[in-house]
Amino acid sequence: IAGITQAPTSQILAAGRRMTLRCTQDMRHNAMYWYRQDLGLGLRLIHYSNTAGTTGKGEVPDGYSVSRANTDDFPLTLASAVPSQTSVYFCASSEGNSYNEQFFGPGTRLTVL
Amino acid sequence: GQNIDQPTEMTATEGAIVQINCTYQTSGFNGLFWYQQHAGEAPTFLSYNVLDGLEEKGRFSSFLSRSKGYSYLLLKELQMKDSASYLCASSDSNYQLIWGAGTKLIIKP
Repeated sequence: IAGITQAPTSQILAAGRRMTLRCTQDMRHNAMYWYRQDLGLGLRLIHYSNTAGTTGKGEVPDGYSVSRANTDDFPLTLASAVPSQTSVYFCASSEGNSYNEQFFGPGTRLTVL
Repeated sequence: GQNIDQPTEMTATEGAIVQINCTYQTSGFNGLFWYQQHAGEAPTFLSYNVLDGLEEKGRFSSFLSRSKGYSYLLLKELQMKDSASYLCASSDSNYQLIWGAGTKLIIKP
């Protein structure tokens, strides 16, 4: 692995189903982030983690949860998917949470019907 | 409130120069980032400014004026592969990035 990977690449999901989007990085970055990107809107932060064992809420956290059991993995869970969660989801990481560029995974395109 | 403004779309000619503007209002300021995003792909880092002035990196340059809450990305000698969206993001007091909606740049031959 080089960089950040996300799985699945795309998914169609029935409303009400539970779904976990996976994100793994091999750069030993401390900070990780989950964003959603919708047409006409900027990237919006869902949740973040400044270091393993800690998480925080971003701008649009409702309906999503995260965990950070170790440095490399940062899964995002939709407990009960709704159509408004149809979006492209990007995971990102950075060395620290300050003056560091964020590196992005390839994204997961999620459609909730 | 926090707000990032940038034009929705711009068109330029191959070989020319284009300037993409960004104005920002965030609670605290810890720098301004520019990212490039090709259609269907992830954003990739282009530049970071925290001090006033111009930072040049090859064909791309980025400018910041903290007092005016203003930045621009300057692309020279445009190539067809520069057709992409350009995202402006301000780092706020908590070092969270507040993102603009992006400027779609269309390059014509």
